[in-house]
Amino acid sequence: DQQVKQNSPSLSVQEGRISILNCDYTNSMFDYFLWYKKYPAEGPTFLISISSIKDKNEDGRFTVFLNKSAKHLSLHIVPSQPGDSAVYFCAATPNSGGSNYKLTFGKGTLLTVNP
Amino acid sequence: ETGVTQSPTHLIKTRGQQVTLRCSSQSGHNTVSWYQQALGQGPQFIFQYYREEENGRGNFPPRFSGLQFPNYSSELNVNALELDDSALYLCASSQGASGPQAQYFGPGTRLLVL
Repeated sequence: DQQVKQNSPSLSVQEGRISILNCDYTNSMFDYFLWYKKYPAEGPTFLISISSIKDKNEDGRFTVFLNKSAKHLSLHIVPSQPGDSAVYFCAATPNSGGSNYKLTFGKGTLLTVNP
Repeated sequence: ETGVTQSPTHLIKTRGQQVTLRCSSQSGHNTVSWYQQALGQGPQFIFQYYREEENGRGNFPPRFSGLQFPNYSSELNVNALELDDSALYLCASSQGASGPQAQYFGPGTRLLVL
């Protein structure tokens, strides 16, 4: 049973346009959400996160939106750049406030930004 | 500041054998988590070590075990290897209760079981 779902295995966009990556979750205990970027032969790198008490978090070109009622979040990248081409993972965890963070990941979406 | 390192980078084993994977955490980090990423899947949580004690475990059988040392480096041991254990094994280090966003991943060890 997949608790975090990324239903688009791949996405292709033109440089300068917006990239929108989607993620759905089923576990109501999740209240902290993260996006990671992964290049080949490297580990995932943290990109941006959002707590369930917010519905939007912005960091430069990256914005994450959270719709708790729909159990849906999305990552917007504007403008997209060729260097953004990577696999993007959505992850979620209950935010226990302690040191015990078990991230549950989606399968990832391969983003390709064409020059 | 040295990042998270893992060794070896690649490994080939045969079914039934045992394997040990190693992870050196980032300087100042006392928590290490291990993940298994099968082909085409996202990373799946195996277990976490905090100050040398297991601090949570995912849905993996007991033949997956670990250790954390006083310098906070860690080992993942897998006994009686099965073909389905073929995967990329990632470790991530963090500093205690610094928040889930502060997990830093190593590049992984790719294990192939024949």
